[in-house]
Amino acid sequence: DFQMTQSPSSLSASVGDRVTITCRASQGANNYLAWYQQRPGKVPKLLIYAASTLQSGVPSRFSGSRSGTDFTLTISSLQPEDVGTYYCQKYNSDPRVTFGPGTKVDIK
Amino acid sequence: QVQLVQSGAEVKKPGSSVKVSCEASGDTFSRHVISWVRQTPGQGLEWMGGIIPSFGTTNYAQNFQGRVTITADESTKTAYMELSSLKSEDTAVYFCARGGRSAAALFWYFDYWGQGTLVTVSS
Repeated sequence: DFQMTQSPSSLSASVGDRVTITCRASQGANNYLAWYQQRPGKVPKLLIYAASTLQSGVPSRFSGSRSGTDFTLTISSLQPEDVGTYYCQKYNSDPRVTFGPGTKVDIK
Repeated sequence: QVQLVQSGAEVKKPGSSVKVSCEASGDTFSRHVISWVRQTPGQGLEWMGGIIPSFGTTNYAQNFQGRVTITADESTKTAYMELSSLKSEDTAVYFCARGGRSAAALFWYFDYWGQGTLVTVSS
């Protein structure tokens, strides 16, 4: 079975901190990985696709990278409006779509 | 301006079916993937399946095979998701979402989302 794991499952950081979330795919070596932000009570929002391409309109403090089967979302300077849950998603694979379990981010 | 507008909340009995609609406006509907994703209370995102309206081809998650049917009407730019044999565990918010694309390919990441439809399954 294809699996996506995310770490940590939750984190608490101060405003201005650098925050890193990691997602690992159990198989697959391509760049078809997206990241979403879901603020409390809101619809998911696409942040990054193709592992490192910033979606139009997303602040530049968000970035994505890949090393082998590990993918990383970095928030360079955490802001209060970044509170929410972050999901990674593998796509264009078999199955077509797999979401990670999510990482909950809040402010210390 | 792309918008996906979903039908309203539903309350269903166990064993029944529900059909949720998703109407697209703005950019071309047919030349993108339209997928359905659900979120049970307090839980994560779960992909159910999707359709490419211009081809009529569908792809379903294994967990929902045989219980979900996704269709699309190009003339009204509307996609539908029907889930049958409902159980209490199907109580969730159901989202439609549009896939990305380049000049040469369709992608199954989602750049636009509907507002979500709450389906409550209760006797």
